[in-house]
Amino acid sequence: AQSVSQHNHHVILSEAASLELGCNYSYGGTVNLFWYVQYPGQHLQLLLKYFSGDPLVKGIKGFEAEFIKSKFSFNLRKPSVQWSDTAEYFCAVRNSGGYQKVTFGTGTKLQVIP
Amino acid sequence: KAGVTQTPRYLIKTRGQQVTLSCSPISGHRSVSWYQQTPGQGLQFLFEYFSETQRNKGNFPGRFSGRQFSNSRSEMNVSTLELGDSALYLCASSPTGTGAGNTIYFGEGSWLTVV
Repeated sequence: AQSVSQHNHHVILSEAASLELGCNYSYGGTVNLFWYVQYPGQHLQLLLKYFSGDPLVKGIKGFEAEFIKSKFSFNLRKPSVQWSDTAEYFCAVRNSGGYQKVTFGTGTKLQVIP
Repeated sequence: KAGVTQTPRYLIKTRGQQVTLSCSPISGHRSVSWYQQTPGQGLQFLFEYFSETQRNKGNFPGRFSGRQFSNSRSEMNVSTLELGDSALYLCASSPTGTGAGNTIYFGEGSWLTVV
C-alpha cells in the first residue's frame, strides 16, 4: 500500500524567508505526485503536480517541487514566502495506473508572520 | 467552467440518523471520489466511482456508501451516524480518474457535525 509522510506538522516563518516542506512517499511503482493547499476556510486547491518528464515542477504562486525518485521524495519549495501563503499544505501520491485513489500526507500548517 | 459543487455545505445530525451528501462534478468529468477530512486523521479516501460503478474503496465501515448517476453526479450516504463521523467530506472529480493528465479537482466540502 502506498503511504505519504510529511515530516513538518507546523512551520512558522517570517515573510521573505525561504520555505521547504518535506514529503516522502512509499510505493514501488510509478506514481503521480501532487501538492495541494488549503487556505483557511477554503477548499483544497492544486498547487502543482508531477506525472512524468522534468522532475523539477513549477506551480502556481511561485511554488516549485522536485521529484527525486531515488529518495522517494517530492519536497515543496518557495524562495520567499508571503503572509498570504499561510495555509495548510498537503502532499499526495497516486499510483499512476490506479484510478483516482489518492493517498494524502497528514498536512503541514504553515504560518507566515508579517 | 463551474467547479465541483457539493451540497449541503453545512449540516448537523443526531447520532443514529443517516445523512446523504451530494456532489456534482466538473462538466465532462466522469470520475468522482470522496474523502473524509478530520483534524486527527487528515484526508482519507472513501471511494471512487466511474460510469456509475465503484472502482475503488477505502477502509471505511459499510455504513459509508455511495453511488453515481448516469450524469456523473454522485451521492454518499452515511447510516447510523456516530459522533466520530463529524468531519469535512470532500468530493473530487477528474476526467477519467487514471492516466497522465488526470488532475483531480476538489469541491468545497460538506461540513457534517454529529451531536
